[in-house]
Amino acid sequence: EVQLVESGGGLVQPGGSLRLACTASGFSFSSYWMSWVRQAPGKGLEWVANIKEDTTEKYYVDSVKGRFTISRDNAKNSMYLQMNSLGADDTAVYYCARQRGAFEIWGQGTMVTVSS
Amino acid sequence: SYELTQPPSVSVSPGQTARIACSGDALPKQYTYWYQQKPGQAPVLVVSKDSERPSGIPERFSGSSSGATVTLTISGVQAEDEADYYCQSADSSGTYWVFGGGTKLTVL
Repeated sequence: EVQLVESGGGLVQPGGSLRLACTASGFSFSSYWMSWVRQAPGKGLEWVANIKEDTTEKYYVDSVKGRFTISRDNAKNSMYLQMNSLGADDTAVYYCARQRGAFEIWGQGTMVTVSS
Repeated sequence: SYELTQPPSVSVSPGQTARIACSGDALPKQYTYWYQQKPGQAPVLVVSKDSERPSGIPERFSGSSSGATVTLTISGVQAEDEADYYCQSADSSGTYWVFGGGTKLTVL
């Protein structure tokens, strides 16, 4: 079964850091671009970042540039999102998704709450 | 920054046809994708590359494009189709990805 499972979410204070992980199974992880997409409570979807199969290209939405870092380990079928200098606006469910133009496969999401 | 525009809400009666539009300057150059999201669930891709239906998606879901506007059409709407629908595409460079604001489909 093709599956993506996110982990690492939780409650963090403003200015703090968190590292999310996404573990893939059921497909050739190293053959796909991968993305992070987030959804603030009661709001719409926002693409956050993506990374090429071989890590040579990475792109970010303007609001997270310089604060978030996307990475992947193809040997572990895993992708990561290092989030620093977190603010209230970063509170959201974070989804990982397999991307081939479309976000074809989604994980169930992990909640990140930034609050004191 | 690049934006896609959708109506906030659309309402239809069961069996009728629902149409949800999405507009953006780069849409003539970039494919558009549509997602259905039900409360508490991850989004599901229902239309790919403007008009392709992924495996497992009912035939009542279809997509079309005309210039800077793309449209998701749901024919013979069923109660189970009540959900939020999002369009998604890329900017003109094809590098950065964006979602529309979402449309809440209500089945009366």
